[in-house]
Amino acid sequence: GAGVSQTPSNKVTEKGKYVELRCDPISGHTALYWYRQSLGQGPEFLIYFQGTGAADDSGLPNDRFFAVRPEGSVSTLKIQRTERGDSAVYLCASSLIAGSTDTQYFGPGTRLTVL
Amino acid sequence: AQRVTQPEKLLSVFKGAPVELKCNYSYSGSPELFWYVQYSRQRLQLLLRHISRESIKGFTADLNKGETSFHLKKPFAQEEDSAMYYCALSGNSGNTPLVFGKGTRLSVIA
Repeated sequence: GAGVSQTPSNKVTEKGKYVELRCDPISGHTALYWYRQSLGQGPEFLIYFQGTGAADDSGLPNDRFFAVRPEGSVSTLKIQRTERGDSAVYLCASSLIAGSTDTQYFGPGTRLTVL
Repeated sequence: AQRVTQPEKLLSVFKGAPVELKCNYSYSGSPELFWYVQYSRQRLQLLLRHISRESIKGFTADLNKGETSFHLKKPFAQEEDSAMYYCALSGNSGNTPLVFGKGTRLSVIA
């Protein structure tokens, strides 16, 4: 079956611009996670959704970052006034239900480059 | 604070040699430990988790609570094992995200 998909695969933008990154989870998965992976680092948690609501957004670095999941399926990560330090691979993962025992399935990521 | 440490950025071994990828963790409680793998041009995927006590692709990992370690081992490395390996933990109370280490790149030399 189809796995987690993310679009675009690559995004190049200029400092100060607004970007949206999209994640399509596996059908039926109620939990959705966003991670950010900088060069030479492991993935770092940003936010996770259980259904439509953000259950934990403690990983968002500042108020320029925001994510939504209005219908409990597709999610969009939004970054305002991008900075060069935002350059990273943004990973999305989904799991059947939220819980530490549920396997998280990762998407291929979106590589964001801020010039 | 939750932390996962993978001391080796790169590990090179010859084909057929034993492999041990080190992982140490810091967590105030009883965490769940995982190993994720990313092969070249593929997405991150779960390799194994400690609660399953299973061997996947010949790899095993034992949780040592006394040493707070979860090292990944394989007795005989294969070329197809070359990949990036990430150790990760989450709390066992549910609804907790994964905390990853920085990863170790395993290179198996023919």
